[in-house]
Amino acid sequence: NAGVTQTPKFQVLKTGQSMTLQCAQDMNHEYMSWYRQDPGMGLRLIHYSVGAGITDQGEVPNGYNVSRSTTEDFPLRLLSAAPSQTSVYFCASSWTSGSSYEQYFGPGTRLTVT
Amino acid sequence: GQSLEQPSEVTAVEGAIVQINCTYQTSGFYGLSWYQQHDGGAPTFLSYNGLDGLEETGRFSSFLSRSDSYGYLLLQELQMKDSASYFCAVPKLTGGGNKLTFGTGTQLKVEL
Repeated sequence: NAGVTQTPKFQVLKTGQSMTLQCAQDMNHEYMSWYRQDPGMGLRLIHYSVGAGITDQGEVPNGYNVSRSTTEDFPLRLLSAAPSQTSVYFCASSWTSGSSYEQYFGPGTRLTVT
Repeated sequence: GQSLEQPSEVTAVEGAIVQINCTYQTSGFYGLSWYQQHDGGAPTFLSYNGLDGLEETGRFSSFLSRSDSYGYLLLQELQMKDSASYFCAVPKLTGGGNKLTFGTGTQLKVEL
């Protein structure tokens, strides 16, 4: 299993540009989520999905859109990039049941907005 | 809202024992998780405490006290490879998923 994969690994955008960060998992997890991590800080939840066709907002959703058309894929779209969105973005997935609530994280996308 | 507090940095020598504390304020508490993150890497799951007490996994142990809203991660026989950031996190169950709220992380430096 590849686990959780993310593309691209690095990206530089100019202010106002849009782009989509890709995330895929091959573990048949129902739950997927996107986090951002700013320097010296913990991860903050952007959006999450409990299954195909179902998404909801997390703690910091403004400026981002998501969709979930399949169980495997959960892309994150930046509508109009701003310097404040410079961050490392992590996608994660997990089962919706279980005793440990363990989440599996992808390797991250390092985004710089100039 | 939810908040988790951790020390920002801890330094210890190889072979020693170190404890990383986490205090939390949250509604709808289910338990406390711990994640490890090496520089430039992804967070990886270490442990979860759903009940009070100590959970042991090899050199790592995690403790929870619900009455004190407090937990800690204990690392024994420290190795250089344990140098990393450690995050406590609380899952919030929501309609089939679990949203994680993370602390700001503790950077552990292991020295010779």
